[in-house]
Amino acid sequence: NAGVTQTPKFQVLKTGQSMTLQCAQDMNHEYMSWYRQDPGMGLRLIHYSVGAGITDQGEVPNGYNVSRSTTEDFPLRLLSAAPSQTSVYFCASSPNELETQYFGPGTRLLVL
Amino acid sequence: GENVEQHPSTLSVQEGDSAVIKCTYSDSASNYFPWYKQELGKRPQLIIDIRSNVGEKKDQRIAVTLNKTAKHFSLHITETQPEDSAVYFCAASRTGRRALTFGSGTRLQVQP
Repeated sequence: NAGVTQTPKFQVLKTGQSMTLQCAQDMNHEYMSWYRQDPGMGLRLIHYSVGAGITDQGEVPNGYNVSRSTTEDFPLRLLSAAPSQTSVYFCASSPNELETQYFGPGTRLLVL
Repeated sequence: GENVEQHPSTLSVQEGDSAVIKCTYSDSASNYFPWYKQELGKRPQLIIDIRSNVGEKKDQRIAVTLNKTAKHFSLHITETQPEDSAVYFCAASRTGRRALTFGSGTRLQVQP
């Protein structure tokens, strides 16, 4: 099993550009989440999904969209990138909310 | 919603000493408390978790204690080694919340 994979590993955007961060898992997990990690602020939840076709907002959803058309994939879309979105983004999956979350390797995003 | 506070933000110990990290949570219904370790440049990984029906759990040099009355839980690392140096995150969740709430992290440095 590859576990949780994320692409790209690193991305530089200009303000106003849009892009999609990819996340995939091969463990047949129902729960998938996106977090951003900023220095001194821990992991903050952006959006999450409890199954295909079901998504909901987390703590910091503004400026991001998600969709979950399959169990395996959970892409995160930045609509119009802003410097405040410079961060490291982690995708995670788990069987449910009370089980181990498996994190992807992360995407480092720099918005100029 | 849930709020998780974590202390201290940084902790430096000598190799062989013990380290203790404490977290408090706000939602008395929370019933799942995992701890994640994140090495520099790597993804967070689960090291131990505890559920509200037990007060303590051990795994070799790592232990977690839970005080439901006071709404706090702690990570204890004994006989620390340089490879224990990392950032540690606590988190909390409960049945039906559908997502973890993380603390802000503790940077542990073990001096050889």
